[in-house]
Amino acid sequence: AQKITQTQPGMFVQEKEAVTLDCTYDTSDPSYGLFWYKQPSSGEMIFLIYQGSYDQQNATEGRYSLNFQKARKSANLVISASQLGDSAMYFCAMREGLHGGTSYGKLTFGQGTILTVHP
Amino acid sequence: DSGVTQTPKHLITATGQRVTLRCSPRSGDLSVYWYQQSLDQGLQFLIQYYNGEERAKGNILERFSAQQFPDLHSELNLSSLELGDSALYFCASSDEGGQTDTQYFGPGTRLTVL
Repeated sequence: AQKITQTQPGMFVQEKEAVTLDCTYDTSDPSYGLFWYKQPSSGEMIFLIYQGSYDQQNATEGRYSLNFQKARKSANLVISASQLGDSAMYFCAMREGLHGGTSYGKLTFGQGTILTVHP
Repeated sequence: DSGVTQTPKHLITATGQRVTLRCSPRSGDLSVYWYQQSLDQGLQFLIQYYNGEERAKGNILERFSAQQFPDLHSELNLSSLELGDSALYFCASSDEGGQTDTQYFGPGTRLTVL
């Protein structure tokens, strides 16, 4: 079974509008972390935002926020006021056993969503 | 700039050859991770080292090996290369023990096997 599912292969958004990128995850571990990374066409992986399984509030970092619904096992990324430079591939990733456990640091990634921002 | 460096940026070689990819983690980070990104497999975890010792192993082929040196830089060795090994190889580092243990990625090494 897929541990991280990103169901949107591609998304389009108009500049200055908000967009939501979907991510659902599957784990039986009570302690885990969810991460979003951005991969522009140049190839590097850029960390955007983190949400811990015990965090009471949704994470926010500038124009990025995470809509964390624990019961539904979803961690959707919301990008507000889209910019042309936001066009990239976006990956959702999970680390299980965040506070101990034997999975250590392994990140499991989804297949990614390609976001295109139109002017 | 994440602070993680990888060399070389590009590598083109032939089947059957052996290559070494190098990674220097962010200052202060003890953990180094290697990932492979290919079109068919996506992003896959290969191996993790923590302060010189292997800590976790993922989908790493027996033809591949890695090590972390006392100065904390790491090398990924790929031998008997096959066409299917062509991929983008990332190194990441983290402080392992920080609250979020966020992994910061290097720019990657793009390996092309001809």
